[in-house]
Amino acid sequence: AQTVTQSQPEMSVQEAETVTLSCTYDTSESNYYLFWYKQPPSRQMILVIRQEAYKQQNATENRFSVNFQKAAKSFSLKISDSQLGDTAMYFCAFMKYGGSQGNLIFGKGTKLSVKP
Amino acid sequence: DAGVIQSPRHEVTEMGQEVTLRCKPISGHDYLFWYRQTMMRGLELLIYFNNNVPIDDSGMPEDRFSAKMPNASFSTLKIQPSEPRDSAVYFCASSPAGEWNEQFFGPGTRLTVL
Repeated sequence: AQTVTQSQPEMSVQEAETVTLSCTYDTSESNYYLFWYKQPPSRQMILVIRQEAYKQQNATENRFSVNFQKAAKSFSLKISDSQLGDTAMYFCAFMKYGGSQGNLIFGKGTKLSVKP
Repeated sequence: DAGVIQSPRHEVTEMGQEVTLRCKPISGHDYLFWYRQTMMRGLELLIYFNNNVPIDDSGMPEDRFSAKMPNASFSTLKIQPSEPRDSAVYFCASSPAGEWNEQFFGPGTRLTVL
């Protein structure tokens, strides 16, 4: 069974600074996807970024980038130039490649506060 | 595109009552998922459908929970009878078919069982 662990329940960062959220996972699969979802106070789950395990290049979406270390089973999210609107819960998630489409397994989340 | 639509947004009920949560997926999406989010357990997949057919309901906590998808544009999650421990936020999500299928989430229904 796959597990996803986010070891930082809460973090804070000053506006315009950079913050890194940690995520580790455990799996015996060789092909899979990893995601970061954002959940602002509105509760809406929003996909921030995704990474295919077979790609060595780290994914980037504007101010968001990941550091994917497959051997270490680590998938951290870096937010550059933090903005007040980045305040939210952030969830790391794992999905097995192919097979059951429902295999989206979430970590417990990290609550990020961006301070002015 | 309106996105995934859930109703109601908030539901308060008393223990023992029947609760029905509703979801309208994004048009054209083949998959529909129901999740439950609690502080203790985080986000858990309850059940998902492919082309209106339930594929995996192993996450449904017990027989008090049931889900249906009578057509491609509508699904329900029913709890009967409800209990205080069912209090949670329930999310519906949908995704298109394909190798990589992003799941689009609805706004969730916050259920409180007194």
